[in-house]
Amino acid sequence: GENVEQHPSTLSVQEGDSAVIKCTYSDSASNYFPWYKQELGKRPQLIIDIRSNVGEKKDQRIAVTLNKTAKHFSLHITETQPEDSAVYFCAANTGDYKLSFGAGTTVTVRA
Amino acid sequence: DGGITQSPKYLFRKEGQNVTLSCEQNLNHDAMYWYRQDPGQGLRLIYYSQIVNDFQKGDIAEGYSVSREKKESFPLTVTSAQKNPTAFYLCASCSSYYSGNTIYFGEGSWLTVV
Repeated sequence: GENVEQHPSTLSVQEGDSAVIKCTYSDSASNYFPWYKQELGKRPQLIIDIRSNVGEKKDQRIAVTLNKTAKHFSLHITETQPEDSAVYFCAANTGDYKLSFGAGTTVTVRA
Repeated sequence: DGGITQSPKYLFRKEGQNVTLSCEQNLNHDAMYWYRQDPGQGLRLIYYSQIVNDFQKGDIAEGYSVSREKKESFPLTVTSAQKNPTAFYLCASCSSYYSGNTIYFGEGSWLTVV
């Protein structure tokens, strides 16, 4: 099955700086890579996703890049704000759309 | 997101008891999933269902059972065989199992063994 590794496990950034989270996956058949944000005690919510026919996708301060050859993808958050503090999960699917999640990155934005 | 309802939100289980977590969705989604999340950990797949009357084991199915008698309902039973059931349980659904569409999560159920 798919194995997704996520780094770093924790990330502390100054407000206004950028945050980058990286994930690698093992199954070359994976073709869908969503990112979820989870606030304490709440459900994960999709913030952005990318499919294997696209190399980069942006949505305001959030961007995701995908390198299929190296089998890794990254989340970039620019101009971080206190409300960006949360746990972020990457995930990857296979053709049968069974998502495998990374272990999560706890992002803390310091005011 | 608002179309997936989990209940109860908090549940306490005594040793040796079976408990059932409810998951209902009104999104007309074909696929439904159950994930387990331990404190400070990622999400692990327990069971998933592509269609009514069909379901498959995920990565950590031992000690759990499910049913899918109706499209909108996918209850999870945590049996006494699950030795460490204390966790946050998340139900999820997706419009189509094969199309790579977004998976949406319910608000979750906290299960504690007392």
